[in-house]
Amino acid sequence: EAGVTQSPTHLIKTRGQQATLRCSPISGHTSVYWYQQALGLGLQFLLWYDEGEERNRGNFPPRFSGRQFPNYSSELNVNALELEDSALYLCASSLRDRTGNTIYFGEGSWLTVV
Amino acid sequence: GQNIDQPTEMTATEGAIVQINCTYQTSGFNGLFWYQQHAGEAPTFLSYNVLDGLEEKGRFSSFLSRSKGYSYLLLKELQMKDSASYLCAVRTGGGNKLTFGTGTQLKVEL
Repeated sequence: EAGVTQSPTHLIKTRGQQATLRCSPISGHTSVYWYQQALGLGLQFLLWYDEGEERNRGNFPPRFSGRQFPNYSSELNVNALELEDSALYLCASSLRDRTGNTIYFGEGSWLTVV
Repeated sequence: GQNIDQPTEMTATEGAIVQINCTYQTSGFNGLFWYQQHAGEAPTFLSYNVLDGLEEKGRFSSFLSRSKGYSYLLLKELQMKDSASYLCAVRTGGGNKLTFGTGTQLKVEL
């Protein structure tokens, strides 16, 4: 069974540009989560989507946005890129929100802003 | 707010036992996860505790005390491949939003 898949693996963008990252959850999982892991920092929660709707959002500015498609895949968009947005962006998925559901992570997308 | 503390680094010897502690201060506690993350790779799920006590899974065990806001991950018969970062994460309230600690970098030496 395929795990959570993310693309691209690496992305280099210039300050001020936009970046789009993609995620496909494990088959059967309806919830998708996005986390940012900057160098030397812990994983920071960005967004949670379930059944196509944004359910929760972390303490990030509005230029971080995303969406979930009918097939439960998801996209993270980062507008007006800043140097400090350089980080590993991890997508995770789980079964529908229910206590005890394990969250499985993808391999991540490395975003470098120059 | 949420606060999760773990030691930054630990070193242990191959074949030994190591305990990685995690303390947390959160509201609406709803479970604690441990993940292993090798450099440049995705975090992989190790264990989940929601009730007090010990959960054992092969060489790995995890303990939780909700009244003390404390958990530990115990790794037995350490192997070189266990060198990685170990992340403690707390779920709060409904939903699956996790708050992560900064991780404990474990180095296993010969």
